[in-house]
Order: sequence, then structure tokens, then C-alpha cells
Amino acid sequence: QQQVKQSPQSLIVQKGGISIINCAYENTAFDYFPWYQQFPGKGPALLIAIRPDVSEKKEGRFTISFNKSAKQFSLHIMDSQPGDSATYFCAAGANDYKLSFGAGTTVTVRA
Amino acid sequence: EPEVTQTPSHQVTQMGQEVILRCVPISNHLYFYWYRQILGQKVEFLVSFYNNEISEKSEIFDDQFSVERPDGSNFTLKIRSTKLEDSAMYFCASRGVPGLAGYEQFFGPGTRLTVL
Repeated sequence: QQQVKQSPQSLIVQKGGISIINCAYENTAFDYFPWYQQFPGKGPALLIAIRPDVSEKKEGRFTISFNKSAKQFSLHIMDSQPGDSATYFCAAGANDYKLSFGAGTTVTVRA
Repeated sequence: EPEVTQTPSHQVTQMGQEVILRCVPISNHLYFYWYRQILGQKVEFLVSFYNNEISEKSEIFDDQFSVERPDGSNFTLKIRSTKLEDSAMYFCASRGVPGLAGYEQFFGPGTRLTVL
């Protein structure tokens, strides 16, 4: 059972553009939604996270939008930079916070 | 800044051999996890560990797998008899007590396991 669905699989954006990655979940017990950034050969690094009591969270150029009724959340990367080129994973956690990951989105930022 | 460390970074083994992957979680964290990532695929949960016992395990975590916290700092994953399909990147993660920042799981750099 795929608990977290992530799209698109990959995207290419020009420097300065906006990258948008979408995730949808099924399990209504999930109450913690982090996004991880992963560079080749490295472990996932926590980027930003949200809990369902807020609809949006912004940290620098990264914003999470959360729609509890639709069971969807998304990551927006504003003013994308070449250094943002990486694979981004959404995830969801419940009581014990084991994380269910999405399939990942490879973002390429072209200069 | 505190971080999760893992050793070795790369382990090559023959099919049927036992391997032990080691992790040192962040020192004041209480919850520990192992995940794996097959090349090009998503990160998959294997097992969670709290208060010196397994709190949850996935279908992947069968009798060939075991975890241990032998002392106050190390957290290990043992695979008794490795299979070709065990080849993957294995990540250790830890988190503190739930609170303002306690939900965050911090991942180590991973151990690449290659089974020949």
C-alpha cells in the first residue's frame, strides 16, 4: 500500500524560478509531514516540516502548503538556485513517527 | 552541530555472510530507526527502537534482521545471512522527545551494503 504519493517524478526549472512538488496521503492518522532533501550518496536531510494545525509554513525560500481536507501537501521552492538541484522526498508520520516516504522528485535547476 | 554517524560507509560481503552496520545516534535522543533505500527508489522504514526494545518493524524486517543497543551510544543492525536483494543504502535515524522540535528525525550519511 502506497501511503504517500508524490509527483512529479522529476522537474527542471530555470534559475530564479519556482519549483512545486506535490504529495497526497491516505492515512488520516498522519500528523507530521516533513520534507527531506537528498544529494547523491548522502543521507536525507530535513528541510522543513509541518503539523496539520497550520495550513502553511515558510522557512526562507521553502514553503509547505497543507490541505487537511484534501489530504495533500506541497513544497514550493522560490527563487530556485543551482545548489537546490537534489532529490526531494515528502514523508508522513503518525504516533511513533516512523516515516512513510514518497517516491521522490529529482529537481534540476538550470543556470 | 550534533549529527548521526554511521560506519562503515561501504560494506561489501558475500551472499550468506553476516554483516553488522553501526550507528551512533545523537546523544540525547531516545528513539532510533533503521531505514533502507534501494538504488533509485524511495526510503523504506525497517524498524523503530525505543526503551531498549523494538517498537515497530516492517514486513522487510524478517528473522534475518536484528537490532541492538549494546551500550549507551551505539545502535546496530545485524543481517544474519545476507541475500543479493539486501544490497541497498541503510540509514540510521534518531529523534528526541516529542516537543517543539522533538518530532524531527535526523538521518545519518548511510552505509552502502553490496552483497555479491
